[in-house]
Amino acid sequence: EPEVTQTPSHQVTQMGQEVILRCVPISNHLYFYWYRQILGQKVEFLVSFYNNEISEKSEIFDDQFSVERPDGSNFTLKIRSTKLEDSAMYFCASSRQAPEQYFGPGTRLTVT
Amino acid sequence: AQSVTQLDSQVPVFEEAPVELRCNYSSSVSVYLFWYVQYPNQGLQLLLKYLSGSTLVKGINGFEAEFNKSQTSFHLRKPSVHISDTAEYFCAVTPYGGATNKLIFGTGTLLAVQP
Repeated sequence: EPEVTQTPSHQVTQMGQEVILRCVPISNHLYFYWYRQILGQKVEFLVSFYNNEISEKSEIFDDQFSVERPDGSNFTLKIRSTKLEDSAMYFCASSRQAPEQYFGPGTRLTVT
Repeated sequence: AQSVTQLDSQVPVFEEAPVELRCNYSSSVSVYLFWYVQYPNQGLQLLLKYLSGSTLVKGINGFEAEFNKSQTSFHLRKPSVHISDTAEYFCAVTPYGGATNKLIFGTGTLLAVQP
């Protein structure tokens, strides 16, 4: 059964550094998403991406964040200058057409 | 805007007992509803969904949920739980006809199954 994959599983970075989180969505899916979950809190929507552009973004997704689909398989989330409060689990999800989304295992980002 | 409330942050239950995890939502438009499960140190797995049709939906691992439009609820039930059901359970909604289908999650309920 196809799955969404994410790399790395855990990323430790220093405050102010740039990080890129990578995702490989399910191959025939068209809609792509990033969510985050700060420890002990609920899962929050960050951004959705369709047809090579952002279709919606949340208030959290400020100028420090960007997304890209550099080729036919990868979907990346870049944080330009990380802050302590960016420490969280970041989930990628993809969807073919229907509203249900399939999530990857997540990348735990720790900013020190 | 939509919101999801999971009133129980933790539900302890003994193995083989029945369980109900509560989910209520608020929305000015119709919504699709989902339950996701998160096992320790893992990602989110789709447990079941309500898109349309019968209000009683069955999911994986013996779970089911009933959509009640008048009470704006989508409670999750299982008649007999196992130790392996110990996990965090998240209820989520997305509005009908939304451009992006972004999911709005509740705060989660930790189901702790004891022997």
